[in-house]
Amino acid sequence: DGGITQSPKYLFRKEGQNVTLSCEQNLNHDAMYWYRQDPGQGLRLIYYSQIVNDFQKGDIAEGYSVSREKKESFPLTVTSAQKNPTAFYLCASSMQGAGTYEQDFGPGTRLTVT
Amino acid sequence: ILNVEQSPQSLHVQEGDSTNFTCSFPSSNFYALHWHRWETAKSPEALFVMTLNGDEKKKGRISATLNTKEGYSYLYIKGSQPEDSATYLCAPTNYGGATNKLIFGTGTLLAVQP
Repeated sequence: DGGITQSPKYLFRKEGQNVTLSCEQNLNHDAMYWYRQDPGQGLRLIYYSQIVNDFQKGDIAEGYSVSREKKESFPLTVTSAQKNPTAFYLCASSMQGAGTYEQDFGPGTRLTVT
Repeated sequence: ILNVEQSPQSLHVQEGDSTNFTCSFPSSNFYALHWHRWETAKSPEALFVMTLNGDEKKKGRISATLNTKEGYSYLYIKGSQPEDSATYLCAPTNYGGATNKLIFGTGTLLAVQP
């Protein structure tokens, strides 16, 4: 079955620690995205990548980093510089980044930092 | 950054009722509009991608219309069923070159009671 996997579903970390959220897709999509959801807000774009070895900051990139070494994988690292890291994180992908292709989403990772 | 408004915020209907929600967005530089359905404990699911003014798309009992000149889209559900209970997200995108970022609204939460 083609799809997007994110692991783990729930993640707990102590403040000051970096943590990496995984995102893998087997849809052969070129573009991948990371979003964050907070209560009462729409999904906000953290980073996106249109092609391997290339990525761009979204609207709320501060305190996050990404890599795109393989087409299938787009891991997100939440660094200690992110002031409010506790949130629900969604990874998505689309055939291309042109905006007219459907975005498929993974199941999400809920990160809690205490 | 686009200002996207969805109304109502939440809606409770009885099984069999037909219902509709609104997504409003700035009409200038419009490129595409995405509708997603997000059921609890599942991944957001793409419903429609709409690009043309006056466009109407349909998937089963769900349909959507688009008015790019005045900046709104309606989503209609005919004969609501309990399985339609979900948050419905709209996400327009302006033309930004090779990559057009989706800006998500906060969604309309639909609860269909049997």
